[in-house]
Amino acid sequence: AQSVAQPEDQVNVAEGNPLTVKCTYSVSGNPYLFWYVQYPNRGLQFLLKYITGDNLVKGSYGFEAEFNKSQTSFHLKKPSALVSDSALYFCAVRDGPGGNKLVFGAGTILRVKS
Amino acid sequence: DTGVSQDPRHKITKRGQNVTFRCDPISEHNRLYWYRQTLGQGPEFLTYFQNEAQLEKSRLLSDRFSAERPKGSFSTLEIQRTEQGDSAMYLCASSSPESQETQYFGPGTRLLVL
Repeated sequence: AQSVAQPEDQVNVAEGNPLTVKCTYSVSGNPYLFWYVQYPNRGLQFLLKYITGDNLVKGSYGFEAEFNKSQTSFHLKKPSALVSDSALYFCAVRDGPGGNKLVFGAGTILRVKS
Repeated sequence: DTGVSQDPRHKITKRGQNVTFRCDPISEHNRLYWYRQTLGQGPEFLTYFQNEAQLEKSRLLSDRFSAERPKGSFSTLEIQRTEQGDSAMYLCASSSPESQETQYFGPGTRLLVL
């Protein structure tokens, strides 16, 4: 079965510093990988996805993610964190080739302090 | 706003009562998904529709749960004889024919069963 792991429950970073939120995956076949962000009492907002092509994927709000096949990782990154980036971040994988549902990690809380 | 909308945003009910939630997907999105999210967890897939056809249901969707999408537009999710364990955020998402792998989520309906 497809799965993702987010090894950190929480990441703390100072405003202006680079941030990384980690995600590793386990899939059969080629992975379709996603990052979503959730603000309090809100639904999930799509940030970016990797399907094929360049291993560095750029998304919304200055976020990017690096696909690493050998390490089965898809870490979310941003060069300079903002306080407004503080939220809950979810990594997800499509459930199998041609699958129709997303399988989510448990989420990582990002706290950016000024 | 042309995003996914859900109604109501919050629902408090007593155990044993029936509840119904509505989801309006993004216009012209042919796929619609329901997920459930409990505190501290990532969303878990419940079911999905392609147009009016319900094509996949999770084992999480017990016989007390029923979902419909009668005209291939909005969808309803009904929970009969609610239990305290049904307390969760119910999220709806939709995707377009051109980019079926990318799901866009609504704000969710938070259910509390007393």
